[in-house]
Amino acid sequence: SQQGEEDPQALSIQEGENATMNCSYKTSINNLQWYRQNSGRGLVHLILIRSNEREKHSGRLRVTLDTSKKSSSLLITASRAADTASYFCATDQGAQKLVFGQGTRLTINP
Amino acid sequence: EPEVTQTPSHQVTQMGQEVILRCVPISNHLYFYWYRQILGQKVEFLVSFYNNEISEKSEIFDDQFSVERPDGSNFTLKIRSTKLEDSAMYFCASGGRRGEGTQYFGPGTRLLVL
Repeated sequence: SQQGEEDPQALSIQEGENATMNCSYKTSINNLQWYRQNSGRGLVHLILIRSNEREKHSGRLRVTLDTSKKSSSLLITASRAADTASYFCATDQGAQKLVFGQGTRLTINP
Repeated sequence: EPEVTQTPSHQVTQMGQEVILRCVPISNHLYFYWYRQILGQKVEFLVSFYNNEISEKSEIFDDQFSVERPDGSNFTLKIRSTKLEDSAMYFCASGGRRGEGTQYFGPGTRLLVL
């Protein structure tokens, strides 16, 4: 089974709009982390949400976690051209590793 | 702000050659990781390292791979005899706590095996 599957695979919106990306997973987790990757570059940590948390905010980012549905969402409000990147969720199952999804490619059009 | 660094940023090697990828984790972190990302694919876990030993490894991490923390600051990944399919971006990560902590990633080393 695959963990950390993002939906949609690609998303294109206008600057200023909100972007929502979803992630589903299959097993129990300790936490779920969202990362951003600009094309061909490294992974930048955005936010971590623990299994006992339901919602977390950081600047223009809002993450929710529903452990009953095994899903998470990342909302970026008031998007900017600089938000163009791939976004990955990664689950920490407590086995000393992160399991990444395929990612969502977000394009912000000026 | 402290960050994970990796060298080299790019490496080209011939099939069958040994390569060593280097990482300097964040200084007070205790947990160290290597991941790889084949072009266009998802990031895959290779190995985790704690207290000077491997704590978890994936099926990818076979006998051709090894890790070492030769001193108090460096963390290396060695591939003994590279294959074409080892071409990928290799990321080092470090974390301060097990299970509840963020993993901080380096910028990656792009390895190309010819």
